[in-house]
Amino acid sequence: EAQVTQNPRYLITVTGKKLTVTCSQNMNHEYMSWYRQDPGLGLRQIYYSMNVEVTDKGDVPEGYKVSRKEKRNFPLILESPSPNQTSLYFCASSPGLAETDTQYFGPGTRLTVL
Amino acid sequence: AQKITQTQPGMFVQEKEAVTLDCTYDTSDQSYGLFWYKQPSSGEMIFLIYQGSYDEQNATEGRYSLNFQKARKSANLVISASQLGDSAMYFCAMREGPRNTGFQKLVFGTGTRLLVSP
Repeated sequence: EAQVTQNPRYLITVTGKKLTVTCSQNMNHEYMSWYRQDPGLGLRQIYYSMNVEVTDKGDVPEGYKVSRKEKRNFPLILESPSPNQTSLYFCASSPGLAETDTQYFGPGTRLTVL
Repeated sequence: AQKITQTQPGMFVQEKEAVTLDCTYDTSDQSYGLFWYKQPSSGEMIFLIYQGSYDEQNATEGRYSLNFQKARKSANLVISASQLGDSAMYFCAMREGPRNTGFQKLVFGTGTRLLVSP
C-alpha cells in the first residue's frame, strides 16, 4: 500500500531532550516536506527536500533540522525541544515539483514538550 | 498578507443538503495549484480535490466540486448531499513557486470546521 508513515505518533518529552521524528514514504517520491499544525494557524511548512541531499527552509525552520540521505526517508530532528514546539507535525511527499503534484500526508505526530 | 483566506471558522449543514466552503487566495504567479484537504477528528490529512490555474473546467471528484473563479481569486469547495462522515476540518491550500525552479511550497488557510447534523 502506497503510504507515508511517521513515528512516533504520540510523544511527550521534556525541554532540551533531543528527539527525532521519522518519516518514510514507499512511493519513490522526489519531494518531501514537514509541516506543523497549530490551532488558528493552519499548517506551516518547516523544511522541504527536493531530492536526496537537497533540503531547504520553509516558513518556520527555527529549532528544527532535517536530513535526506535516502530518497524514502526524511527525519525531523529537534536538537533542544522547547514548549513552543508542542504541536501536531505532518510529513508529506509528492511525486515531483509540478503544481499538479498532490502532496500526500502521513498520519501526523502529536508532540508535547513539557 | 494572508495567501489563503478561509473566512468561515465553522459551518453547519443538515444531512443530504449541499454546502459551500469559501476560499480566497492571493498570488502573483501565473501558474499555481489549489487543493482542498479534509481533516477528520482522527487527525489525518486527506486530499479531496485539485484545481490548476490553467484548468478551464471546474474540478469534480464524486460529491466534491470546486467552484473556481480566477478573476475573483476564489476556489470554493462544494459538497453535495452531505453525509454525517463529512463532519471534519477542511483546509484550502495553494501550491506556489515558479515552475521548474525546485521551490515548491504548499500554503494553507486556517480551516473551516464543518458539522453535519442528522
